Amino acid sequence: GENVEQHPSTLSVQEGDSAVIKCTYSDSASNYFPWYKQELGKRPQLIIDIRSNVGEKKDQRIAVTLNKTAKHFSLHITETQPEDSAVYFCAASRGTGFQKLVFGTGTRLLVSP
Amino acid sequence: EADIYQTPRYLVIGTGKKITLECSQTMGHDKMYWYQQDPGMELHLIHYSYGVNSTEKGDLSSESTVSRIRTEHFPLTLESARPSHTSQYLCASSEHGSGNTIYFGEGSWLTVV
Repeated sequence: GENVEQHPSTLSVQEGDSAVIKCTYSDSASNYFPWYKQELGKRPQLIIDIRSNVGEKKDQRIAVTLNKTAKHFSLHITETQPEDSAVYFCAASRGTGFQKLVFGTGTRLLVSP
Repeated sequence: EADIYQTPRYLVIGTGKKITLECSQTMGHDKMYWYQQDPGMELHLIHYSYGVNSTEKGDLSSESTVSRIRTEHFPLTLESARPSHTSQYLCASSEHGSGNTIYFGEGSWLTVV
C-alpha cells in the first residue's frame, strides 16, 4: 500500500520568511496530492492540492510542486505570517474511483513575529 | 449551511461502556469516512463507505463498527470502550469520483477512563 513520509516534523521561521515542507510517496500510481492545515483544536482544512498531470500550482502565498519521477511533492509558503502557525499534513491517493487518502505524519509550523 | 456535524464533541466515559459517535453531513456527498487522530499526530483511516449499505474497514485496525443506512448519516460505535480507544475521531465526506476534496467534521474527542 501507499506510504507517505513527511519532513520536517517541526519548522520554526520568522515572520516574512519562507517555509518548505516536503513529502515522499511510495505508490507510483498515486495521482492526487492534497495539503491540509490543522490549527490547534480545529478540523483539518484543505489549503491546496495538485494532480499528477500538473507540476506546480500556486494560490497566493502558497504553492505546491510535484516531481513524479522522484515521487515527492512539496508545500511552499512565502511571506509567512503568525496565522500560518499550524500543523500541515500532506496526503496521497490513487484516482481509481475511491478517494482513500494516506496522510503524512504532519509538520508543526511555528511563525514567530 | 452545508457542513459535517459530529456529536458529541467531547466525551468522557468509563471502561466497558458502549458509545456511538454520530456524524451527519449536509454536503450531499456519497462517500464518508472515519479517521482516528491522536493529538498533533497523523490521521489514520479506520472506516469508509461508498454509499448507503456500503461499509469497509480502513488501513488502521479498529474495534469500532459503522453503519450507513442513510446517505447523510454515518455513525461509529464502540461496543466496549477501553482506555486505548482514547483519541479524536474525525468524520469526513467527499463527492463521488477520484481526486475530490475530503471535508472534515470538527471531530469527537473521546476519553475512556
